[in-house]
Amino acid sequence: NAGVTQTPKFQVLKTGQSMTLQCAQDMNHNSMYWYRQDPGMGLRLIYYSASEGTTDKGEVPNGYNVSRLNKREFSLRLESAAPSQTSVYFCASSQGDRGSVGAFFGQGTRLTVV
Amino acid sequence: LAKTTQPISMDSYEGQEVNITCSHNNIATNDYITWYQQFPSQGPRFIIQGYKTKVTNEVASLFIPADRKSSTLSLPRVSLSDTAVYYCLVGYSNSGYALNFGKGTSLLVTP
Repeated sequence: NAGVTQTPKFQVLKTGQSMTLQCAQDMNHNSMYWYRQDPGMGLRLIYYSASEGTTDKGEVPNGYNVSRLNKREFSLRLESAAPSQTSVYFCASSQGDRGSVGAFFGQGTRLTVV
Repeated sequence: LAKTTQPISMDSYEGQEVNITCSHNNIATNDYITWYQQFPSQGPRFIIQGYKTKVTNEVASLFIPADRKSSTLSLPRVSLSDTAVYYCLVGYSNSGYALNFGKGTSLLVTP
């Protein structure tokens, strides 16, 4: 039972390069989320997908795009990476039903943009 | 979404009970209160969730007064391994609403 799987775990990009962070969950959850975490800033929501086929902006969406490929997968794309996007990125999923047990997180992707 | 306020940091000794209070004055009728724990270099982990009164599980207790404008996470007899950041979230979080984490409370447990 893998839960939420993120790939890659580490990545170094040059300014201007593009890349896609992959996230997959095997819990049949409806909702999925992408966060970034910078030192001293807590977790900030980038985008989320309440259900398959829908995506919405979170607190810090600029410079990112997302795709909810299917119910299992939710990818985050950086079209032109900038040093300000150096961060740890977390993907999460939740059931979407009232009273369920909250969100499950992946182990994170540590991204450095030089 | 209801805004939450919690202390930036707390210190405790091993074996003590730790209570972390979160204020959420504009909580809505449908909102649940959820707490997460995050260790360094890991993603947050769900601890406990409640709607009103008291909820207890094997990890913690959550106390919610009748007006639901605040909640208190109680960790009994903490150990060094409870050193982590604790986040309080308020919202209809399991319907796909945006899960907005704040900066959380950094708990340091020392011998």
